[in-house]
Amino acid sequence: EVQVAESGGDLVQPGGSLRLSCIGSGFTFGDYAVSWVRQAPGKGLEWVGFIRSKDYGGTTEYAASVKGRFNISRDDSKSIAYVEMNGLKIEDTAVYYCTRDRGSYYGDWLDPWGRGTRVIVSS
Amino acid sequence: EIVLTQSPDFQSVTPKEKVTITCRASQSIGFTIHWYQQRPGQSPKLLIKYASQSISGVPSRFSGSGSGTEFTLTINSLEAEDAATYFCHQSATFPPTFGQGTKLEIK
Repeated sequence: EVQVAESGGDLVQPGGSLRLSCIGSGFTFGDYAVSWVRQAPGKGLEWVGFIRSKDYGGTTEYAASVKGRFNISRDDSKSIAYVEMNGLKIEDTAVYYCTRDRGSYYGDWLDPWGRGTRVIVSS
Repeated sequence: EIVLTQSPDFQSVTPKEKVTITCRASQSIGFTIHWYQQRPGQSPKLLIKYASQSISGVPSRFSGSGSGTEFTLTINSLEAEDAATYFCHQSATFPPTFGQGTKLEIK
């Protein structure tokens, strides 16, 4: 079964850092892009960022709200993608979802989604 | 940034009813709209890709249509398990964006 699963969510103070992980299974992880999407409590979905497959340079794109603070990377040998979050703000509080992005250079439809990992930024 | 506006925000419906959810884009995006269902406490699930293409395993009562700036998700003969929030998503340009969601309540 094709799956992705996130981990690493935690309670962190404003200004702090956290690294989330996303492990894929049931498919050749390195062949696909990965997107991160977040959902603040009781709110809608917000795209956070995207990492292309190595075939398309393994480069990244970010939402304006996190650019310069978040860094997405991948280790295809372990079928894992990461998002390193620095300078966390209260408004970064959300459930963070990892999803396989069916795009190549540009993003595309998202399937499957993980169950999400909760990040709470609070003092 | 392309803004997606869904209507309605909320709808209370009875089983077996037909439901239509609209997603309007702030500029033309061809067919690059995708639909997701998020049941309470769960992660989103892909329902429709590229405006009208069906997804394996998704019940046939779900269908999509539209192009350009106006898109529709239709649920025929609603079932109790369809109680969820539905989101549209555009991948025509960066950044990808989502509609604000439409919550369906089953009476």
